[in-house]
Amino acid sequence: RKEVEQDPGPFNVPEGATVAFNCTYSNSASQSFFWYRQDCRKEPKLLMSVYSSGNEDGRFTAQLNRASQYISLLIRDSKLSDSATYLCVVNSNYQLIWGAGTKLIIKP
Amino acid sequence: DTEVTQTPKHLVMGMTNKKSLKCEQHMGHRAMYWYKQKAKKPPELMFVYSYEKLSINESVPSRFSPECPNSSLLNLHLHALQPEDSALYLCASLLTDSSYNEQFFGPGTRLTVL
Repeated sequence: RKEVEQDPGPFNVPEGATVAFNCTYSNSASQSFFWYRQDCRKEPKLLMSVYSSGNEDGRFTAQLNRASQYISLLIRDSKLSDSATYLCVVNSNYQLIWGAGTKLIIKP
Repeated sequence: DTEVTQTPKHLVMGMTNKKSLKCEQHMGHRAMYWYKQKAKKPPELMFVYSYEKLSINESVPSRFSPECPNSSLLNLHLHALQPEDSALYLCASLLTDSSYNEQFFGPGTRLTVL
């Protein structure tokens, strides 16, 4: 089992739809969690840190379920500019473990 | 200043060349990282420097040689590379290697080895 697993993609979604990404992690002692976004041929950029209470930033909502060891990212009212690869990152014992990423394609 | 800079942006080199990649940050971060990223894959950790000392080497071949001259600079010296080393090389920094904060990434150097 991989330490951090994400939904295999790509997700092809019409503009305006709601998209949900899931990520599971194997180390129950993991301490912090992040969603990064990576555009084609660019560096990863932090989208959101994920807090225990859940957090929201505009159209984006991140949630953490420690009991089930998964984190999620919800994108509402998706835009063409949301097309990118979304990477889940988990800090386990100060090691940053990356998921394989899920590619999102928003279609007009 | 919340930026990590990397130079050059693009590099093409032959298998006998020697070149260096450079990374700089002025956020006071004490952990700096080199990653290699191939197409459609997540970043793959190569090296970690903590307080200017090499703390992690992920079994990287010796043709890659990292150097941390001071707390703001990180170099990656390249020598006798192979075509399969062609990739995007990313530098990142973190407050310390024992913090829970997010990493900041530079824009990367796209390396092509002929």
